[in-house]
Amino acid sequence: AQSVTQLGSHVSVSEGALVLLRCNYSSSVPPYLFWYVQYPNQGLQLLLKYTSAATLVKGINGFEAEFKKSETSFHLTKPSAHMSDAAEYFCAVSDHGGNNRLAFGKGNQVVVIP
Amino acid sequence: DVKVTQSSRYLVKRTGEKVFLECVQDMDHENMFWYRQDPGLGLRLIYFSYDVKMKEKGDIPEGYSVSREKKERFSLILESASTNQTSMYLCASSFRTEGEKLFFGSGTQLSVL
Repeated sequence: AQSVTQLGSHVSVSEGALVLLRCNYSSSVPPYLFWYVQYPNQGLQLLLKYTSAATLVKGINGFEAEFKKSETSFHLTKPSAHMSDAAEYFCAVSDHGGNNRLAFGKGNQVVVIP
Repeated sequence: DVKVTQSSRYLVKRTGEKVFLECVQDMDHENMFWYRQDPGLGLRLIYFSYDVKMKEKGDIPEGYSVSREKKERFSLILESASTNQTSMYLCASSFRTEGEKLFFGSGTQLSVL
């Protein structure tokens, strides 16, 4: 079964600094990988996804992620943090085997310090 | 705009009560899902459905059941609520052809006392 690991439940970043959230996956087949974001008092929304096309994927709000097969990673980055980036971020993996099931990581709560 | 609506934002129930959590989507999605979200544990899949009257167990189905009588509505049922079912419950839906792109409701925070 596929799974993802996100380390460090809380991540603090200064406004204007680089945002880096790490995600490592485990999958027996080439995976589809996703980042979802949850703003306060809202449901999750899709930030970006990797589905075996370009390894560098750009998402909404200036975020991007790079798929690295050799490192089994799909880390999320944003060059310059904004206060509005304060949210919880979830990495997820699917085996795209037709059952549409996602396995989510435990999440990273991002705090942006002014 | 895409919409997944969960009937209650906050719900307080007593141990042993039967609890219904309702979810409605207006996007004609085939797939619907129920997750629970707990601090430090992320999202865990309870049940999902690919079509009307179809249901599949997720990773943590014990203590829950579901009903999907209409395409737009997916109900989660706690037959006899227990304190360890206190959690945030999230409903989601997606198209069959793009199943991993989930649209989520804003959640129901259930407290079982």
